[in-house]
Amino acid sequence: GQQVMQIPQYQHVQEGEDFTTYCNSSTTLSNIQWYKQRPGGHPVFLIQLVKSGEVKKQKRLTFQFGEAKKNSSLHITATQTTDVGTYFCAGPENQGGKLIFGQGTELSVKP
Amino acid sequence: DGGITQSPKYLFRKEGQNVTLSCEQNLNHDAMYWYRQDPGQGLRLIYYSQIVNDFQKGDIAEGYSVSREKKESFPLTVTSAQKNPTAFYLCASSIGQRGIAGYTFGSGTRLTVV
Repeated sequence: GQQVMQIPQYQHVQEGEDFTTYCNSSTTLSNIQWYKQRPGGHPVFLIQLVKSGEVKKQKRLTFQFGEAKKNSSLHITATQTTDVGTYFCAGPENQGGKLIFGQGTELSVKP
Repeated sequence: DGGITQSPKYLFRKEGQNVTLSCEQNLNHDAMYWYRQDPGQGLRLIYYSQIVNDFQKGDIAEGYSVSREKKESFPLTVTSAQKNPTAFYLCASSIGQRGIAGYTFGSGTRLTVV
């Protein structure tokens, strides 16, 4: 079946270092969404990318959607302790349309 | 303010008991979902509903049941048939299934079987 895969599963960085998580789909996606879940919290919608090759920025976060619309990345510049949490990507099923979530990348930041 | 409310925040259940988790939204969203999350794991879909009085099984529906009698409400019952029910349960809603404006999640219910 259709799958969305994320790597890495865990990433430990020193505060101030950059961080990137990658998302790959087994099929072409109509859009890709990113969510953040703080420790002990619930996932919160960050952004949606729709166009091939689209790049969007939110302060230190840069989101990219691949040209083939099968992969995406989230890059955080100069991480801060407030960036700690699990980042999920998600894309809609081709049949039905509900979101398929990646397994998430858990980011820890050492001050 | 619009949002999703899950209750209770923490729930303890004895083995062999059924328990119902509440999920209410005032966002006027058509679609609602239940996910299960185990420590360090991703989100696994239990059940979802696109419209009142209709719902579909997700990837791990065994041992769970739902109802959707009102647009605002999508309660989840964890039955005694669920072998390992201790987990974090998240309810979500969206305008449509594709979540054009993203899924909105509740703050979750942590269920512990004692």
